[in-house]
Amino acid sequence: NAGVTQTPKFRILKIGQSMTLQCTQDMNHNYMYWYRQDPGMGLKLIYYSVGAGITDKGEVPNGYNVSRSTTEDFPLRLELAAPSQTSVYFCASSYSGSGVYGYTFGSGTRLTVV
Amino acid sequence: QKEVEQNSGPLSVPEGAIASLNCTYSDRGSQSFFWYRQYSGKSPELIMSIYSNGDKEDGRFTAQLNKASQYVSLLIRDSQPSDSATYLCAVSPEAAGNKLTFGGGTRVLVKP
Repeated sequence: NAGVTQTPKFRILKIGQSMTLQCTQDMNHNYMYWYRQDPGMGLKLIYYSVGAGITDKGEVPNGYNVSRSTTEDFPLRLELAAPSQTSVYFCASSYSGSGVYGYTFGSGTRLTVV
Repeated sequence: QKEVEQNSGPLSVPEGAIASLNCTYSDRGSQSFFWYRQYSGKSPELIMSIYSNGDKEDGRFTAQLNKASQYVSLLIRDSQPSDSATYLCAVSPEAAGNKLTFGGGTRVLVKP
């Protein structure tokens, strides 16, 4: 049981380049999320999805885009990378029953924009 | 004002002692509360969830919730060096659905 799988684990981008961070989960969770974590700043929500075909902005969506074509996959697209996007990115998923449930996180992608 | 606040630490405790971590939140309507443990360079791992006022125990961990005072705490009994990590408090604000707001985390160092 793989849980939440993120690729790549590390990436260095040049300013202005674009890339896609991949996220796949095999737990049949409807809810999926992208967070970024800067040192000492906690986790900030970028985008989230409550099911295939449904996405919405979180707290810090500027400079990012997402899509959710299947239950399993929730890729995050960075367009025109900027140094401010240097961060650790975590994908997470959660059960969607009645109530609020804790998240299962992927192992993260450490991104540096130079 | 931050929505979820934690003392950044480090909280230094001797091995075998009790580590006490606190978290306050601003949204009085919040109903769901979580504690995550994050080792350096790793992803957060869910260790406790609590939804009702009072205490909830799981092994060496006890979560305490006081909605009237808007705080949630985590006690780690018989602290071990392997408990050295950053502990993140997460809260689901009212009307936020399943979205969690995270505190900045408290770094705990357990010294042998």
